[in-house]
Amino acid sequence: DAGVTQSPTHLIKTRGQQVTLRCSPKSGHDTVSWYQQALGQGPQFIFQYYEEEERQRGNFPDRFSGHQFPNYSSELNVNALLLGDSALYLCASSWKGVTSGENIQYFGAGTRLSVL
Amino acid sequence: QQQVKQSPQSLIVQKGGISIINCAYENTAFDYFPWYQQFPGKGPALLIAIRPDVSEKKEGRFTISFNKSAKQFSLHIMDSQPGDSATYFCAARLTGGKLIFGQGTELSVKP
Repeated sequence: DAGVTQSPTHLIKTRGQQVTLRCSPKSGHDTVSWYQQALGQGPQFIFQYYEEEERQRGNFPDRFSGHQFPNYSSELNVNALLLGDSALYLCASSWKGVTSGENIQYFGAGTRLSVL
Repeated sequence: QQQVKQSPQSLIVQKGGISIINCAYENTAFDYFPWYQQFPGKGPALLIAIRPDVSEKKEGRFTISFNKSAKQFSLHIMDSQPGDSATYFCAARLTGGKLIFGQGTELSVKP
């Protein structure tokens, strides 16, 4: 049973460029959440996708956008990259929106984004 | 307040000792409290989690103690091993699934 997979593992971009990160959820999961983890910090919630719609959003600017496909996989897009966007971007998957019970989020290994 | 405050920032324990990490929160809307373990270059891995109506949960060497009235919870690692050396994050979940993470504790277990 494959866990959460993310691609690419590393990415180097320059300021002003755009980037797309990809995530495939754990088998049986239908909800994908994205987090940004700066060096030495805990992950910060960006947004969550369920049934191909953005359901919740954290305190991130509109430069951060996403998409969920019918097969539950997801993309995170960041436009007009800033130096401060350099971080580990984590995808987490869960089942039925994690609205109740012990449905908990499982994380991928992340994509390390460096903005120069 | 949606913050989760975690302490200590770093912890050094001898092999076989007990590691204790503490977290505190303010928002009573949190409905689930997981702990994650993260090794360098890896994503956070779920370690153990607890509901707010339970005061203690034990899985192997790992125990969560939960004090709802004090809005505090802690992770105890018994018989700590060098392989436990990692960064540990407490988290709290809001309805809908958003996780709020603590700042992390870097644990080093010395042989």
